[in-house]
Amino acid sequence: AQKITQTQPGMFVQEKEAVTLDCTYDTSDPSYGLFWYKQPSSGEMIFLIYQGSYDQQNATEGRYSLNFQKARKSANLVISASQLGDSAMYFCAMRVFTGNQFYFGTGTSLTVIP
Amino acid sequence: EPEVTQTPSHQVTQMGQEVILRCVPISNHLYFYWYRQILGQKVEFLVSFYNNEISEKSEIFDDQFSVERPDGSNFTLKIRSTKLEDSAMYFCASTTEDIGNSPLHFGNGTRLTVT
Repeated sequence: AQKITQTQPGMFVQEKEAVTLDCTYDTSDPSYGLFWYKQPSSGEMIFLIYQGSYDQQNATEGRYSLNFQKARKSANLVISASQLGDSAMYFCAMRVFTGNQFYFGTGTSLTVIP
Repeated sequence: EPEVTQTPSHQVTQMGQEVILRCVPISNHLYFYWYRQILGQKVEFLVSFYNNEISEKSEIFDDQFSVERPDGSNFTLKIRSTKLEDSAMYFCASTTEDIGNSPLHFGNGTRLTVT
């Protein structure tokens, strides 16, 4: 069975500081992809970053980076230099390559404090 | 950049009425999905659709729900007889067949309110 776990229901960070949002996953499939999405209060789901199970390097996209630790089955999102606009819900998701299903975590609500 | 388009953005309906939520996925995508999200809660999978048929559905997707791709571009979710607990944000999403780094592309959602 596939599972995504986000253990932090809410996080606070000071503006301009870095923050790490945790995500662990469980799958027996050797080939999978891990995704992070941002959902601001307006409701839309915005794709942020992707990490493949065979990728040797951690993914980065601007201020977002993914701390991928395969042996620990974790894929934490790091946001550097937090901005007020980063306040949102963040979802971790996994897609296994043997199917077309995406599995979502329960989300982490991030609040950036000025 | 191509987008997934959902209409309407907000739908209010009375309990027991039928609703149809509409989506236009990205044109070269082959996998289509409906998810729902009750306010502030997790994203729940409803159904996936590929090659003109349902490929997977969750236990939420009971006989009251149906999906169609009537004309090769639109992808609809019908709720036959709405219940109060169907009130939620409904997201359509699509992705390519390239099982690699293709993420789910979401529409902006339809907020369904059942009164």
